[in-house]
Amino acid sequence: EAQVTQNPRYLITVTGKKLTVTCSQNMNHEYMSWYRQDPGLGLRQIYYSMNVEVTDKGDVPEGYKVSRKEKRNFPLILESPSPNQTSLYFCASSPRGNYGYTFGSGTRLTVV
Amino acid sequence: SQELEQSPQSLIVQEGKNLTINCTSSKTLYGLYWYKQKYGEGLIFLMMLQKGGEEKSHEKITAKLDEKKQQSSLHITASQPSHAGIYLCGALPYSGGSNYKLTFGKGTLLTVNP
Repeated sequence: EAQVTQNPRYLITVTGKKLTVTCSQNMNHEYMSWYRQDPGLGLRQIYYSMNVEVTDKGDVPEGYKVSRKEKRNFPLILESPSPNQTSLYFCASSPRGNYGYTFGSGTRLTVV
Repeated sequence: SQELEQSPQSLIVQEGKNLTINCTSSKTLYGLYWYKQKYGEGLIFLMMLQKGGEEKSHEKITAKLDEKKQQSSLHITASQPSHAGIYLCGALPYSGGSNYKLTFGKGTLLTVNP
């Protein structure tokens, strides 16, 4: 089944403790992206990647890092999480970014 | 940057009633997507529209994109409790560039009362 898989689904962590949210797609898509969703603010793009080793900032990249060493994986790294990063995170992929987006099921992160 | 305005922000209807949700952009769109989301869960793809004047239907849901490609509507006929959720429109900018950023409206919360 074609899908985007995020892990974990739920995570509670403490301020400052580094964490990684994984994202993997099995559709050989070139384009991958991370979004966060917050009440009243909607979905906002954090980072995106046009292909392996090609990444760039979205609208709200502060406090996040990403890497794209393989085509299928696009992990989101929070080096020092803070409470304002408490949010619902979505990973998405697309063949080339201009159509056919598939979203993961989301990761609900709480930073205390 | 491109902004999408969705209206209404929330909607409560009686089961069996028809309803319409609108999505408006200040700029011409390359593609317009409609998604449905159950609260706190993932996004379910509904439809994508690319051509001006295009209309697509799936079961009781119809989406249209106007000729200017700046406004889309989502119409649900004979609503059911299963239609309840958050409806999101997302759009790609016409100019493209290196980041085909899918920008979203803030969503419409639909409640369907039995």
